[in-house]
Amino acid sequence: DGGITQSPKYLFRKEGQNVTLSCEQNLNHDAMYWYRQDPGQGLRLIYYSQIVNDFQKGDIAEGYSVSREKKESFPLTVTSAQKNPTAFYLCASSIDITETQYFGPGTRLLVL
Amino acid sequence: DAKTTQPPSMDCAEGRAANLPCNHSTISGNEYVYWYRQIHSQGPQYIIHGLKNNETNEMASLIITEDRKSSTLILPHATLRDTAVYYCIVRVARYGGATNKLIFGTGTLLAVQP
Repeated sequence: DGGITQSPKYLFRKEGQNVTLSCEQNLNHDAMYWYRQDPGQGLRLIYYSQIVNDFQKGDIAEGYSVSREKKESFPLTVTSAQKNPTAFYLCASSIDITETQYFGPGTRLLVL
Repeated sequence: DAKTTQPPSMDCAEGRAANLPCNHSTISGNEYVYWYRQIHSQGPQYIIHGLKNNETNEMASLIITEDRKSSTLILPHATLRDTAVYYCIVRVARYGGATNKLIFGTGTLLAVQP
């Protein structure tokens, strides 16, 4: 089955902890993205990667970090520096940076 | 800020066509019109996109006005499973990184009624 997977579906974090969200795709896409969605709002871009070993900050990168060591994987770490981490996190990928983005099912992060 | 304007909500009877409007009066010549939808607590689903010409696929049709300042997404036979928030997005598609990001507004909540 081809597609984008995100795990886990729900994630709980204690204040002060770092947490890593997984995003994997088997679509052979070069570009991958992380977005954040808050209740009743649209998506905001956190980081994106055009190709392996490359990534760029989006609009709200503070408090987040990413890596792109493999084409199929683009994990997002929410650090303790992120003041309001509770949100719905969405990963997307596209053939390249110009093409249509396809989304995974999302991870809902809750800070306890 | 989103470059599109959509009504906040619409109703449609099951089996009838759903016509979702979108205004994008400041669209540039190299910007595409994209439509996504999001069912509650799921990731957005790509529906269709177009530049100038009308487009149709297995999910929907996209009608873009000649001046490109507005468009309409048509779901030909709406079902209860089409109840979702529909997002209209204008987007440049070129090798320039962040300029290709999707800017989601608040969209239109389409409620399909039985």
